[in-house]
Amino acid sequence: QLVESGGGLVQPGRSLRLSCAAFGFNFEDFAMYWVRQVPGKGLEWVSGISWDSGNIAYADSVKGRFTISRDNAKKSLYLQMNSLRPEDTALYYCVRYSSSELIPSPFEFWGQGTLVTVSA
Amino acid sequence: DLQMTQSPSSLSASVGDRVSITCRASQTIGSFLNWYQQKPGKAPQLLIFAASRLYSGVPSRFRGSGSGTYFTLTISSLQPEDSATYFCQQSYSAPENTFGQGTRLEIK
Repeated sequence: QLVESGGGLVQPGRSLRLSCAAFGFNFEDFAMYWVRQVPGKGLEWVSGISWDSGNIAYADSVKGRFTISRDNAKKSLYLQMNSLRPEDTALYYCVRYSSSELIPSPFEFWGQGTLVTVSA
Repeated sequence: DLQMTQSPSSLSASVGDRVSITCRASQTIGSFLNWYQQKPGKAPQLLIFAASRLYSGVPSRFRGSGSGTYFTLTISSLQPEDSATYFCQQSYSAPENTFGQGTRLEIK
């Protein structure tokens, strides 16, 4: 199970930190991603992190503003979102990758998401 | 950037029908193609990975095929619970895993 938290309403330019708690599997064995979805629209990968944080990737749309991190001891994934824009408004999913590295693999398991709304 | 294009964007079919959804990649991606099902208000769920491999617990009426740039998701005998939006996703360019725009399937 993956349980996201930290979403909410925030003004443009402000920051928000999302968290994802993992239950029921060996968190440290898997790479993790954040994937977002504007309600009723498509899916966009945001950021991925390998099992040991040795490899990290960001979509161009968030590069330089968002930071992904993980704490394997706490079985938790994080997304620090700075300089938020209205176009960042979306449901943010925490997703378990099927591989430990950021190599070609499917998104194996998804949390239920946390909604981020960026508006004045 | 590698683009994924699904068709149709929506379709309507009856219980028992055979339906197919296609996904085209803007460049060859081998078999690095996955399919997901998303029901309203729920998170996506993995159906098919590596173009044709059925994920654990997924009914055998779901079948994936294709390679290179052209892929198909086929549901052999549509059930009421198959009403959902279906997404394809390429992992060829991992970590930059991109999705198709989705196909909404309605059961008549």
